Amino acid sequence: DAKTTQPPSMDCAEGRAANLPCNHSTISGNEYVYWYRQIHSQGPQYIIHGLKNNETNEMASLIITEDRKSSTLILPHATLRDTAVYYCMGLYNRDDKIIFGKGTRLHILP
Amino acid sequence: DAGVIQSPRHEVTEMGQEVTLRCKPISGHDYLFWYRQTMMRGLELLIYFNNNVPIDDSGMPEDRFSAKMPNASFSTLKIQPSEPRDSAVYFCASSSTTSGGFGKTQYFGPGTRLLVL
Repeated sequence: DAKTTQPPSMDCAEGRAANLPCNHSTISGNEYVYWYRQIHSQGPQYIIHGLKNNETNEMASLIITEDRKSSTLILPHATLRDTAVYYCMGLYNRDDKIIFGKGTRLHILP
Repeated sequence: DAGVIQSPRHEVTEMGQEVTLRCKPISGHDYLFWYRQTMMRGLELLIYFNNNVPIDDSGMPEDRFSAKMPNASFSTLKIQPSEPRDSAVYFCASSSTTSGGFGKTQYFGPGTRLLVL
């Protein structure tokens, strides 16, 4: 079965890079990895996505391992406003399944 | 654009009652998704539509749940009869084929907090 796993929580000092891992060992082919974040109880917000290559946008960077079994979301200079739950999502085209991880609660320490 | 709109934002009902949740996707989006979020199970995809047609409802927990999309700008998720274990936050999300298609870059609504007593 498709699976997307993340650590339940992480701490990061303000101003430092936050590196959030995700294991998506069953992803393959042309299946994408997406990252969303959820602040308080709002709806999740799209951050970034990738297939094989590393990606960067104004919010974050995404590093995908060569075997595509895992990825890391990088927030380069974490601020208190980055305190949120970060979700990794696998988009499994083979059976049109969307599988969200349980999320990582990121605590930014002042 | 106003984004994805959901109503009501909060709903408290008694066990056995019918509950109807509503969603208006972003104009022009052709995919619509319904999710349920609980502490125990996280975010679960219940059903999604493409061009108003239900494509995959394998996430719908049981026959008490039903969803419809009568037109491109409106969808409902109905629970009948409701049970306490249905208490959760229900999110609606939409996306567009032009932004990459199925599942990509979803825009979520604010959610409906449902409490079944």
